[in-house]
Amino acid sequence: SQKIEQNSEALNIQEGKTATLTCNYTNYSPAYLQWYRQDPGRGPVFLLLIRENEKEKRKERLKVTFDTTLKQSLFHITASQPADSATYLCALVGNQGGKLIFGQGTELSVKP
Amino acid sequence: DVKVTQSSRYLVKRTGEKVFLECVQDMDHENMFWYRQDPGLGLRLIYFSYDVKMKEKGDIPEGYSVSREKKERFSLILESASTNQTSMYLCASSQPGSLQPTDTQYFGPGTRLTVL
Repeated sequence: SQKIEQNSEALNIQEGKTATLTCNYTNYSPAYLQWYRQDPGRGPVFLLLIRENEKEKRKERLKVTFDTTLKQSLFHITASQPADSATYLCALVGNQGGKLIFGQGTELSVKP
Repeated sequence: DVKVTQSSRYLVKRTGEKVFLECVQDMDHENMFWYRQDPGLGLRLIYFSYDVKMKEKGDIPEGYSVSREKKERFSLILESASTNQTSMYLCASSQPGSLQPTDTQYFGPGTRLTVL
């Protein structure tokens, strides 16, 4: 069956360190993968999209990699700040297109 | 900026009541979605719509219906609310192709519904 998995345990890191979040998927062949940020009590907000022919994408302190052989995407926040504390969701387009399938999200907590 | 608004942030209803959740987007998007989000279960798609008066079932449509009479508005209806429908409900919209990455979704702030 199709599955998207993110670290279910919260990630706690110290301010200034690099946070790395993982998204693994099985039985999909997504053309691209997206990452969203969700703050408590709010809707998710789109951050980055990476296509299957792109190995890496950067936006300011964010970096996303996409390994279609491993079926895995890594999401990095460098020089993390307490304001980066949130839940991060990965999402990919299901085989029908148009519909996004979301992972459960990983909660990140950055301590000062 | 895309704006997706939902009619209520918090809602408390009684079992058996008919509940309407409204969602409006201002970017002329073709696609609109309703999700519910529960701890440990993530975002689950209830219904979506690719066009006016068109609807498709998502992964968990039971106990819900939807209406899309106008392009900008997508309503979720709980025909007879039950306690297991207590959840956070999120509306989203997207525009296929065009200037933005295909299928990037823009979410509303959510409605936290409690059914007593």
